[in-house]
Amino acid sequence: GENVEQHPSTLSVQEGDSAVIKCTYSDSASNYFPWYKQELGKRPQLIIDIRSNVGEKKDQRIAVTLNKTAKHFSLHITETQPEDSAVYFCAASMASGGGADGLTFGKGTHLIIQP
Amino acid sequence: DARVTQTPRDKVTEMGQEVTMRCQPILGHNTVFWYRQTMMQGLELLAYFRNRAPLDDSGMPKDRFSAEMPDATLATLKIQPSEPRDSAVYFCASGLTLGPGAWNTEAFFGQGTRLTVV
Repeated sequence: GENVEQHPSTLSVQEGDSAVIKCTYSDSASNYFPWYKQELGKRPQLIIDIRSNVGEKKDQRIAVTLNKTAKHFSLHITETQPEDSAVYFCAASMASGGGADGLTFGKGTHLIIQP
Repeated sequence: DARVTQTPRDKVTEMGQEVTMRCQPILGHNTVFWYRQTMMQGLELLAYFRNRAPLDDSGMPKDRFSAEMPDATLATLKIQPSEPRDSAVYFCASGLTLGPGAWNTEAFFGQGTRLTVV
């Protein structure tokens, strides 16, 4: 089955600086890579996703890049703000003939924004 | 604002008791997932259904866990008998799958059921 590795497990950055979280996956058939943000005691919520037919996607201060050859993808957050503090999860999935399969998640990165 | 609804939000039970968690997916969604979250293992996929049919339950301990979808508006996850190691937050998520070869859709998560087995 799919295996997703995520690094680092904890990331502390100064407010206003950029943060980068990296993930690798094992199954070359995976074609959908979402990123979820989870605040303490809350549900995971999708912040951005990328499909295997593109290499980069951007939405305001967040961007995701995908390298299919190397089987890794990264989340980039620029101009970090205190409300960005949370746990971020990467995930990978494969669309089979019937549609979406379940997501395999990385172990998460605790992002701390220092004021 | 369409949401996935899970009940109960919190459950404390004694070891050996039966636990049933319920999930109401977003109306119109045809794929339902059950995930378990713990500090040690993170988010693990337990099982999922499409159009109420079970597709994959390989992540679920078969001897004590069971998952069903009695109808399109209700998914259940049952643990019998419960054990302390089952203590975790159980999330239900739902999504819409459009057909063969369709792109994966976003999975919307419910608020979770925090289960404590003592």
